[in-house]
Amino acid sequence: QKEVEQDPGPLSVPEGAIVSLNCTYSNSAFQYFMWYRQYSRKGPELLMYTYSSGNKEDGRFTAQVDKSSKYISLFIRDSQPSDSATYLCALGSGANNLFFGTGTRLTVIP
Amino acid sequence: DADVTQTPRNRITKTGKRIMLECSQTKGHDRMYWYRQDPGLGLQLIYYSFDVKDINKGEISDGYSVSRQAQAKFSLSLESAIPNQTALYFCATSGTVGPGELFFGEGSRLTVL
Repeated sequence: QKEVEQDPGPLSVPEGAIVSLNCTYSNSAFQYFMWYRQYSRKGPELLMYTYSSGNKEDGRFTAQVDKSSKYISLFIRDSQPSDSATYLCALGSGANNLFFGTGTRLTVIP
Repeated sequence: DADVTQTPRNRITKTGKRIMLECSQTKGHDRMYWYRQDPGLGLQLIYYSFDVKDINKGEISDGYSVSRQAQAKFSLSLESAIPNQTALYFCATSGTVGPGELFFGEGSRLTVL
């Protein structure tokens, strides 16, 4: 069983839609929860970082963590064509390594 | 200029050849990483280094070796490349203790024929 499971998609939505991206995990030791965005032919870049259950908002993006269900989500409101990318969840514990999901490819259609 | 620079960006080679991928950074970070990205498998950690004298194996280190030549330079070598090492390779740096933000290079696409 993988440490982190993520639906690979692809996911295609119209501009303005609300997007929900999700990851599940099995290791209750994970304390750090991140979302990276990766544009085509580029390296991943950090989008959201949280280390507690609940919601964290940053503009059109909301990261949600439910430690009891071992489930994390990223919501994108008013999606834009520029949001078209692959989104990777990443989880870490007290050790130093991050475990990445496989990534969900999102396309926002104008 | 990019903060994390990888060379080469693309490389095609043959089975059995020795390949080196190089990474240099201007962020002043002590921690450097090499990841491999494959479709359907995500990013997998190959090796990581917390300072010049520290090298650690990651999840998939077999068939790879690394060298940390300086704080700013971390290279990945494939001593004898094989086709299943065809992948996209990323170097990353981090300036924090414990899991923190990783800063990635733009990747090196390696094809082994």
